[in-house]
Amino acid sequence: NAGVTQTPKFQVLKTGQSMTLQCAQDMNHEYMSWYRQDPGMGLRLIHYSVGAGITDQGEVPNGYNVSRSTTEDFPLRLLSAAPSQTSVYFCASSTAGPLYNEQFFGPGTRLTVL
Amino acid sequence: GENVEQHPSTLSVQEGDSAVIKCTYSDSASNYFPWYKQELGKRPQLIIDIRSNVGEKKDQRIAVTLNKTAKHFSLHITETQPEDSAVYFCAASIQGGSEKLVFGKGTKLTVNP
Repeated sequence: NAGVTQTPKFQVLKTGQSMTLQCAQDMNHEYMSWYRQDPGMGLRLIHYSVGAGITDQGEVPNGYNVSRSTTEDFPLRLLSAAPSQTSVYFCASSTAGPLYNEQFFGPGTRLTVL
Repeated sequence: GENVEQHPSTLSVQEGDSAVIKCTYSDSASNYFPWYKQELGKRPQLIIDIRSNVGEKKDQRIAVTLNKTAKHFSLHITETQPEDSAVYFCAASIQGGSEKLVFGKGTKLTVNP
């Protein structure tokens, strides 16, 4: 099993550009989530999904969209990138919600918005 | 909403000493408290967790204690080793039907040989 994979590993965008961060898992996990990690801020939840076709907002959803068309994939879309979105983004998955099962994190995507 | 405070932000100890990291939470309905370790440049990994029906849990050199009355929980690492150097995050569950965790801001632990 590859576990949780994320692409790309690094990305530089200009303000106003859009892009999609990819996340995939091969563990048949129902729950998937996106976090951003900023220095001194810990991990903050952006969006999450409890299963295919179901998504919900986390703490910091503004400026991001998600969809969950399959169990395996959970892409994160930046609609119009802003410098405030410069961060490291982690995708995570678990069998069910994080309150009952260990969350497995992907390797992260380091995004810089100029 | 839930707020998780974590202290200290940095901690430096000598190899073999103990390290303690403390977290407080605001939502009295929270019932799940995991701890994650993140080595430099790596992904966070769960190291131990505790539920509200338990006061203490141990796993070799790592232990977590929970005081529900005071709404705080702590990570204890004994006989620290250089490979324990990392950033440690605590988290608490959010209730109200959602499946979410709120994380503390992290503690950078340095174990000096």
